[in-house]
Amino acid sequence: GIQVEQSPPDLILQEGANSTLRCNFSDSVNNLQWFHQNPWGQLINLFYIPSGTKQNGRLSATTVATERYSLLYISSSQTTDSGVYFCAVRKTGANNLFFGTGTRLTVIP
Amino acid sequence: DSGVTQTPKHLITATGQRVTLRCSPRSGDLSVYWYQQSLDQGLQFLIQYYNGEERAKGNILERFSAQQFPDLHSELNLSSLELGDSALYFCASSVGGSANNEQFFGPGTRLTVL
Repeated sequence: GIQVEQSPPDLILQEGANSTLRCNFSDSVNNLQWFHQNPWGQLINLFYIPSGTKQNGRLSATTVATERYSLLYISSSQTTDSGVYFCAVRKTGANNLFFGTGTRLTVIP
Repeated sequence: DSGVTQTPKHLITATGQRVTLRCSPRSGDLSVYWYQQSLDQGLQFLIQYYNGEERAKGNILERFSAQQFPDLHSELNLSSLELGDSALYFCASSVGGSANNEQFFGPGTRLTVL
């Protein structure tokens, strides 16, 4: 398989703060996705970002595939951002996604 | 709403029983994937179907099986259930079956085995 490590494992933020979540992977990939799992368990697509940088509102992501990492930036955090953020990669030659263990984010008012 | 639907939302059953989980992919998607999320194993890939054919297998137990029907909906059958099978089961879909397709996840079926 492929190792996908996310850091930090837990993060507590005051509302309005910014944060950076990191995803390191151990092998070459041709697909990388970021998900937010909300408190109801739903996995919500945030970014499909095998390389480069994308932005969507207060969220942005950067993947440097040659250095095997991706970053998710959350700015001006809100309580609704709470949940678990997963990075998932598709190893070259495989069809499925391999998920990291997630970063649990808690935003307090 | 991802466009992927799963039924039922919750399922409570007893050890030794058999259950069927159902998934309908997004309109136009040909690939369906099944994943299991448990507390001890995290999110793990089980199996993929593409246009009715099995395409890839992951950590799927022999007691589990799946199929994809001509209308592209898929079913995951879990038999001889054990306590450890309690988990959240997700279905995902993508347009194609190859590597560079974004996967979209359904809301999941929460299975509790008592």
